[in-house]
Amino acid sequence: EAGVVQSPRYKIIEKKQPVAFWCNPISGHNTLYWYRQNLGQGPELLIRYENEEAVDDSQLPKDRFSAERLKGVDSTLKIQPAELGDSAVYLCASSPGTGAYEQYFGPGTRLTVT
Amino acid sequence: SQQGEEDPQALSIQEGENATMNCSYKTSINNLQWYRQNSGRGLVHLILIRSNEREKHSGRLRVTLDTSKKSSSLLITASRAADTASYFCATDDGGSYIPTFGRGTSLIVHP
Repeated sequence: EAGVVQSPRYKIIEKKQPVAFWCNPISGHNTLYWYRQNLGQGPELLIRYENEEAVDDSQLPKDRFSAERLKGVDSTLKIQPAELGDSAVYLCASSPGTGAYEQYFGPGTRLTVT
Repeated sequence: SQQGEEDPQALSIQEGENATMNCSYKTSINNLQWYRQNSGRGLVHLILIRSNEREKHSGRLRVTLDTSKKSSSLLITASRAADTASYFCATDDGGSYIPTFGRGTSLIVHP
């Protein structure tokens, strides 16, 4: 079974530029999460999807971040414009549903904003 | 704010020794999960323990949960160099089932 796929794995951009991350969850997983992880910290939830509906986006900085999950399968997270403080690893995870389910994480995208 | 906090922040042991790390949280939970993260494999789920459970085992891993003290511990027995990683506990807030991760414990196992 294929795991959670993310691309790109690494991205270096200058501040004020846009950037997008893509995630393909495990087949059949209805719930998709985007996390941000800063160095030395645990993952911080940005947004959670149940199928195509964003059901928890309270931690998403909506002035510059946006996300979509068309057709309830793969998802894209966008930052526009990027700031120096956005440098982090962006993790995507999926699970069969919400509740007592483990999350399966992708390898992450390491973003460096210069 | 983060729900769970791991202790210690860093742990260094010799191969073959046991490693114990703890997680404390603030509000009632439905479940508590432990994850491992290393550079090779990313974040991997280890164990999920429900609020009505007190202990679970998986191979060399043993997790306990004390809801009266709002704390959990992860014990790794007979540690190996390959156990070197950061270990995170993730707790929900008792309502939404959304896991919140702590800062993690960095474990180094010396061969």
